[in-house]
Amino acid sequence: AQKVTQAQTEISVVEKEDVTLDCVYETRDTTYYLFWYKQPPSGELVFLIRRNSFDEQNEISGRYSWNFQKSTSSFNFTITASQVVDSAVYFCALSDAFTGNQFYFGTGTSLTVIP
Amino acid sequence: NAGVTQTPKFRVLKTGQSMTLLCAQDMNHEYMYWYRQDPGMGLRLIHYSVGEGTTAKGEVPDGYNVSRLKKQNFLLGLESAAPSQTSVYFCASRDSSWLNKETQYFGPGTRLLVL
Repeated sequence: AQKVTQAQTEISVVEKEDVTLDCVYETRDTTYYLFWYKQPPSGELVFLIRRNSFDEQNEISGRYSWNFQKSTSSFNFTITASQVVDSAVYFCALSDAFTGNQFYFGTGTSLTVIP
Repeated sequence: NAGVTQTPKFRVLKTGQSMTLLCAQDMNHEYMYWYRQDPGMGLRLIHYSVGEGTTAKGEVPDGYNVSRLKKQNFLLGLESAAPSQTSVYFCASRDSSWLNKETQYFGPGTRLLVL
């Protein structure tokens, strides 16, 4: 069965601290895609990254970085030097690569950055 | 280029009433999706469509119907609203190809309250 688990329901950090959001997934597909989305207090869903299952290179984009480890079925997201604007709910999601008909979302991690 | 738009933004219904939520996209996307978001549950797929005239059930389809008569529009109907359908509804669309790290693009959401 396809499943995404985000065990951290809520995290609070002080501004400028680093924080890692965990994502563990289950899938029977050999080729799949993993995603991270940000949902700020305004409510919209903002796409952050898509990772292909055959590409295990880590990715960095500014203060954001992603660590994909197939061996542990994890796709963790790290924010370096957190800022108040990073306060949001973050969702990890999984989709099969061939049809992409169904996306499976985790329950989200609510991040609060305290000034 | 408005992206994905949803109508209405907010609605209050009484139990047993019916309504239709409209999703429109101007990106010529083949795939469209309807999700609901509930506290602590993440996003769950209700129905999806892989092209004009086609629809399919997602994870939580009961109590909803959909139609895709035009490529740019995806309608979600509630025939007899129930309090359990109080939620935030998101529409999304994406291109049929997975090139260039493509992802789903989400609408701003519709908040529905069923009394």
